[in-house]
Amino acid sequence: DGGITQSPKYLFRKEGQNVTLSCEQNLNHDAMYWYRQDPGQGLRLIYYSQIVNDFQKGDIAEGYSVSREKKESFPLTVTSAQKNPTAFYLCASSPIIPGDSYNSPLHFGNGTRLTVT
Amino acid sequence: GNSVTQMEGPVTLSEEAFLTINCTYTATGYPSLFWYVQYPGEGLQLLLKATKADDKGSNKGFEATYRKETTSFHLEKGSVQVSDSAVYFCALSSLNAGGTSYGKLTFGQGTILTVHP
Repeated sequence: DGGITQSPKYLFRKEGQNVTLSCEQNLNHDAMYWYRQDPGQGLRLIYYSQIVNDFQKGDIAEGYSVSREKKESFPLTVTSAQKNPTAFYLCASSPIIPGDSYNSPLHFGNGTRLTVT
Repeated sequence: GNSVTQMEGPVTLSEEAFLTINCTYTATGYPSLFWYVQYPGEGLQLLLKATKADDKGSNKGFEATYRKETTSFHLEKGSVQVSDSAVYFCALSSLNAGGTSYGKLTFGQGTILTVHP
């Protein structure tokens, strides 16, 4: 079955350490996204990528970095510069359909819960 | 900018009760509207969508009608089940100035639904 795999499910880090969250998809989707979910705040876009070797900042990119070396993979690094890194992180993907992409729903992974102490 | 406002939760219902979760939006142009559902410990799944005014999206007994005149997309179900207990997110997608959006959804804050037997 096609889908999005995020790993690990739970991640614990000490303050000041960088940490990388994995996201792999086998849906052959061109676009991939990282969202952050905090209680009572919905989802906020961190970064997105429409094509390999290219990505754009979302609404809350400060303190995060990404790479897109392969179509299937879009890892997110939470750096020590992120002031409040503890959150639930969701990776998603979608196809790019010329002229109709804004109607395409997102496919989400099951998330990684990051706790920084 | 775009925004989505959902009714405050949590919502607690008895099995077979009628459900309404209100959603209103602010957007430029003509957005597409979505309802996503998140079960405990999982990512989000698309529940239904509507892409133009007066469209009705439906799935698994849930319905929502795109009302442009009231900028609303309220979610309804005639008879809820315990298995419907989850967090429900209203979201919109619209074209940006460049004519693309590629899944840059704007989400509401989510509404927690708990259904008791």
